[in-house]
Amino acid sequence: AQSVTQLGSHVSVSEGALVLLRCNYSSSVPPYLFWYVQYPNQGLQLLLKYTTGATLVKGINGFEAEFKKSETSFHLTKPSAHMSDAAEYFCAVSDLTGGFKTIFGAGTRLFVKA
Amino acid sequence: EPEVTQTPSHQVTQMGQEVILRCVPISNHLYFYWYRQILGQKVEFLVSFYNNEISEKSEIFDDQFSVERPDGSNFTLKIRSTKLEDSAMYFCASSDRGAPTEAFFGQGTRLTVV
Repeated sequence: AQSVTQLGSHVSVSEGALVLLRCNYSSSVPPYLFWYVQYPNQGLQLLLKYTTGATLVKGINGFEAEFKKSETSFHLTKPSAHMSDAAEYFCAVSDLTGGFKTIFGAGTRLFVKA
Repeated sequence: EPEVTQTPSHQVTQMGQEVILRCVPISNHLYFYWYRQILGQKVEFLVSFYNNEISEKSEIFDDQFSVERPDGSNFTLKIRSTKLEDSAMYFCASSDRGAPTEAFFGQGTRLTVV
């Protein structure tokens, strides 16, 4: 069965600093991986996805993530944080063994300091 | 851009009452899902629906819950007798047969049981 672990429930960075949100996955088959962002009192917005092919994927708002099979990781990065990036970020994997449901990590809340 | 639409955005109900949460998935999608997010917690899978039947459900999805696709466009989640612990954000999602692993999420319905 697939699962996702997000390291750090809270991450705080200064505006302009590098954002790094960590995600490790467990999967018995090649995974389909996603990052979602949730702004306060809003829904889930897809930031980026990895299915097959290029391991470095670019998403919206300047975010990117790299799929590293050897490390079973899919960390999310952004070179320069902006105040508007403050939100909850969820790493997720698609369940390919029992259906197509999305399995979410616990989430990481990103704080951006001025 | 096509999107998943959920109504209402916020619903308050008394404990023991029945509620129906409504969703209009993207029109050519064939897989439908409901997820739940209790305040401050991660997003949890409830149920998936395909070909007019439940394809998978979690242990959360007990006899108090039911889903229905009453016509060609709507997908509903019914909670028969609400409990305080049913208070949460409920997300509907849908995915295409060609890319079943990529689910598109609605903005959610916040259910408050008082």
